Amino acid sequence: AQSVSQHNHHVILSEAASLELGCNYSYGGTVNLFWYVQYPGQHLQLLLKYFSGDPLVKGIKGFEAEFIKSKFSFNLRKPSVQWSDTAEYFCAVTSNTGGFKTIFGAGTRLFVKA
Amino acid sequence: ETGVTQTPRHLVMGMTNKKSLKCEQHLGHNAMYWYKQSAKKPLELMFVYNFKEQTENNSVPSRFSPECPNSSHLFLHLHTLQPEDSALYLCASSQDLAGGPADTQYFGPGTRLTVL
Repeated sequence: AQSVSQHNHHVILSEAASLELGCNYSYGGTVNLFWYVQYPGQHLQLLLKYFSGDPLVKGIKGFEAEFIKSKFSFNLRKPSVQWSDTAEYFCAVTSNTGGFKTIFGAGTRLFVKA
Repeated sequence: ETGVTQTPRHLVMGMTNKKSLKCEQHLGHNAMYWYKQSAKKPLELMFVYNFKEQTENNSVPSRFSPECPNSSHLFLHLHTLQPEDSALYLCASSQDLAGGPADTQYFGPGTRLTVL
């Protein structure tokens, strides 16, 4: 069955620490990969996405993610987090096989201490 | 503001009530989605519409009834719900269906539903 796994449900970091959130997927075919973010009290919004080309994708606010096809992974990174990065982060996958579905991971709540 | 609006933002209803959730997108997108977001669970896709036609029903109970009169509006009609249906219901839209080149989804703020 198609699935998306996010390894950490809760992460607590101090400001300026580096961040890496893991995401692995189980999917056949060509995939589109996303990270969405939900800041407190706000709606879900796109952080970055991978469709094709360079597997290292840069998004907003200094975030980046690397698609490693052989590992079925799309980990999110940021070299130095800020208090304003406190949010919930969702990895998501769509595919051209398996119907018109986007499968989301369970989410990772990040809390950054000032 | 993403261009996707949802009303109401909060709804409390009894198990015998009938209510409807509304979603409107101002982005000119062709696909619209309903999701259920419960605490400690992944976002669950409920329904997908493309050009007003339903393309996915993710085994959703019949007490949830979607309606898509045009590409800009999506409704979720609710009747005889259960307390476990309490959740945040999110609407989203995208230019293309999932798997297409323009399938980035834009989400509304959600309707917080409480079933008593």
